[in-house]
Amino acid sequence: EDKVVQSPLSLVVHEGDTVTLNCSYEVTNFRSLLWYKQEKKAPTFLFMLTSSGIEKKSGRLSSILDKKELFSILNITATQTGDSAIYLCAVVNAGNNRKLIWGLGTSLAVNP
Amino acid sequence: DGGITQSPKYLFRKEGQNVTLSCEQNLNHDAMYWYRQDPGQGLRLIYYSQIVNDFQKGDIAEGYSVSREKKESFPLTVTSAQKNPTAFYLCASSRTQVQETQYFGPGTRLLVL
Repeated sequence: EDKVVQSPLSLVVHEGDTVTLNCSYEVTNFRSLLWYKQEKKAPTFLFMLTSSGIEKKSGRLSSILDKKELFSILNITATQTGDSAIYLCAVVNAGNNRKLIWGLGTSLAVNP
Repeated sequence: DGGITQSPKYLFRKEGQNVTLSCEQNLNHDAMYWYRQDPGQGLRLIYYSQIVNDFQKGDIAEGYSVSREKKESFPLTVTSAQKNPTAFYLCASSRTQVQETQYFGPGTRLLVL
């Protein structure tokens, strides 16, 4: 059965810290991996990763995929209180009508 | 501004009632989805539609129904057959029939009284 596991489930840091969130997967017929940020309501899209070793970057956020070891990491440097959110990872199964398999998310709290 | 709107933001339902959650998008996206989010369970797919007048069941379709009469609209009805409807409901859309890079609405929180 396809699955996506995120770790840690929750994390508390201080402003200015750097955090690394993990997403590992077991998915038949992998197509891509997506990261989303969810604050109070709608998840907002961060990155889509399809190739190993190519870093995607947006400001203080970056992400990379390792298709050999079947995981991705999301890094946030110089964290701010506005980074507090749930970070969701999803993997697209190319075979199963390109269904998204979602992880449970990592809840990040950044304290001032 | 293009986007996805959901209404209402909060919805209260009495036991035995059907309720309909609205989802509208002006992104000209072909595909639309409904998810349910419960604490500790992540996002679970209820129904999805890849094109007008067509939709498929997701992982937890029992007790729900949908329609897709217009490209912009994908309403979800939570029927009285849904045993535990209290949850946060998210609607999403994607540009084409493939399900990558979905964009989400703000959600509707349904509470059964």
